Amino acid sequence: DTAVSQTPKYLVTQMGNDKSIKCEQNLGHDTMYWYKQDSKKFLKIMFSYNNKELIINETVPNRFSPKSPDKAHLNLHINSLELGDSAVYFCASSRTGANTEAFFGQGTRLTVV
Amino acid sequence: GDSVTQMEGPVTLSEEAFLTINCTYTATGYPSLFWYVQYPGEGLQLLLKATKADDKGSNKGFEATYRKETTSFHLEKGSVQVSDSAVYFCALSPYNTDKLIFGTGTRLQVFP
Repeated sequence: DTAVSQTPKYLVTQMGNDKSIKCEQNLGHDTMYWYKQDSKKFLKIMFSYNNKELIINETVPNRFSPKSPDKAHLNLHINSLELGDSAVYFCASSRTGANTEAFFGQGTRLTVV
Repeated sequence: GDSVTQMEGPVTLSEEAFLTINCTYTATGYPSLFWYVQYPGEGLQLLLKATKADDKGSNKGFEATYRKETTSFHLEKGSVQVSDSAVYFCALSPYNTDKLIFGTGTRLQVFP
């Protein structure tokens, strides 16, 4: 069974469109995250949620809106897509608390054309 | 702010060679330190971690020691295999938080 699963794996879309990426974890974790990996492989946290509440928002544009319907799901909706949004987006989850291991999904490669 | 600096890659080695990937960090307080590995087409997996000074993390033949005096967490392996080819990320988690701050990643290529 996949621990952290994201869909879709690949997403190609035109500038200006709105798209969503879904994430689900079956590990029973309370905390979920979205990370963005750019073309140079640099990884940066975007958001974290704990028990459906937003904990971290790392100065991400308002066009990005995470939604957590329950603690096993954290979806990412992106409005008015721009070329610079092209990246690989990783969902992750962990138990609550410092120093705990984060489990990552396989990533969603978003290409905006 | 807190940050992680890794050596740039790619690192190219022959099978059974010794590996070192350098990692240094800047942080206030006492962060936890991690190495994650990303195999082609996959997400990141935790390789090892250390949560306090002088701790040594180890897994699958890889080791790293938390050195507070040099603010370093260098990754080492005595004998690499072709299957170790991947991108390796050093990361820190600031004290009492659960977010990860990553270095830029180092690609390792091992040839037979």
